[in-house]
Amino acid sequence: GENVEQHPSTLSVQEGDSAVIKCTYSDSASNYFPWYKQELGKRPQLIIDIRSNVGEKKDQRIAVTLNKTAKHFSLHITETQPEDSAVYFCAASIGTGNQFYFGTGTSLTVIP
Amino acid sequence: DVKVTQSSRYLVKRTGEKVFLECVQDMDHENMFWYRQDPGLGLRLIYFSYDVKMKEKGDIPEGYSVSREKKERFSLILESASTNQTSMYLCASLDFPTDTQYFGPGTRLTVL
Repeated sequence: GENVEQHPSTLSVQEGDSAVIKCTYSDSASNYFPWYKQELGKRPQLIIDIRSNVGEKKDQRIAVTLNKTAKHFSLHITETQPEDSAVYFCAASIGTGNQFYFGTGTSLTVIP
Repeated sequence: DVKVTQSSRYLVKRTGEKVFLECVQDMDHENMFWYRQDPGLGLRLIYFSYDVKMKEKGDIPEGYSVSREKKERFSLILESASTNQTSMYLCASLDFPTDTQYFGPGTRLTVL
């Protein structure tokens, strides 16, 4: 089955700096890559996703890039703010109706 | 607005007890999932269901079973709870065609 690896496990940045979280996957059939944010004590929520026919997607301060050849995708957060502090999970899926494979999570701390 | 609810936020059970965790979604989603979340291990899939009375094993099904008698309800059953099943349990339902997973608030289960 699919194997998703996520790095780093913890990340601290100064407010206003950028943060980058990287994931790799093993199954070339995976074609959907969502990112979830989980604030302390809350449920994971989708923040951005990308499909395999697109190389990059942006939503305000958040962007995701995908390199299908290398089988890796990354989350980029610019101009970080304290409210960005949370655990971020990447995931990969072959498609609708199939299971999702999650990375182990990155705990991001933004220092004011 | 999609709503996914879980029957309990916190649950304490004794070793050997039979435990039922219930999840209900109100958006007529066909696919539903049960995950357990442990520090450093991310979200691991226990079981998922793509239709009423249909189920598929995830990555860690041992010691668990599921029931989906109605479309909106997906139950996770621990036949004989053990201490290594102490964890946070998250239910999710999947929106088609966006592939967005909506998570419940989680049940923190402690087995003594």
